[in-house]
Amino acid sequence: IAGITQAPTSQILAAGRRMTLRCTQDMRHNAMYWYRQDLGLGLRLIHYSNTAGTTGKGEVPDGYSVSRANTDDFPLTLASAVPSQTSVYFCASSEEVASGSSTQYFGPGTRLTVL
Amino acid sequence: GQNIDQPTEMTATEGAIVQINCTYQTSGFNGLFWYQQHAGEAPTFLSYNVLDGLEEKGRFSSFLSRSKGYSYLLLKELQMKDSASYLCAVREGDYKLSFGAGTTVTVRA
Repeated sequence: IAGITQAPTSQILAAGRRMTLRCTQDMRHNAMYWYRQDLGLGLRLIHYSNTAGTTGKGEVPDGYSVSRANTDDFPLTLASAVPSQTSVYFCASSEEVASGSSTQYFGPGTRLTVL
Repeated sequence: GQNIDQPTEMTATEGAIVQINCTYQTSGFNGLFWYQQHAGEAPTFLSYNVLDGLEEKGRFSSFLSRSKGYSYLLLKELQMKDSASYLCAVREGDYKLSFGAGTTVTVRA
């Protein structure tokens, strides 16, 4: 594979259920990110990771958690899903966090519906 | 925090030129990005500006004025495949990208 993969592609989930969205990159990028995209609001950062072993909160972190056990994987967990978490979720990665020219590359997205 | 504004929609004719404006307010500017996103797909990188001036890449150009908090993306010789959303994103500090809501461009024959 080359780039970023996300799984599942789409999911319908009952409210209150736990769900983990998976993200894997094979570019050996240090930094990884999770965004949600909602109509009219654009992409909003949920959590990020500068490097393996570290994570940080973005603009809309409530209800979500992440872990970064290694360079390649950055799963996003919804502990108890609510309908307002219905969205399209994009994972992204970039080579260096502190480099001004570092470009973020996006995975194909996961469309999540919480009923 | 960020306040990034761009028009919601624009329509243009095939072969024409369209300019998408983006204005922003930030306390720690560290670069501006433009992404293209086709419906149902992931955003893909188009351009990056950190210094004032024009960056040209084929049919696409991007301009930045840091003092005015202003950028534009210029799409020339429009093609039907250019119908997409165009996202303006500002980097503040080391890592964080803040995105505008996006501009949907429709190219008509």
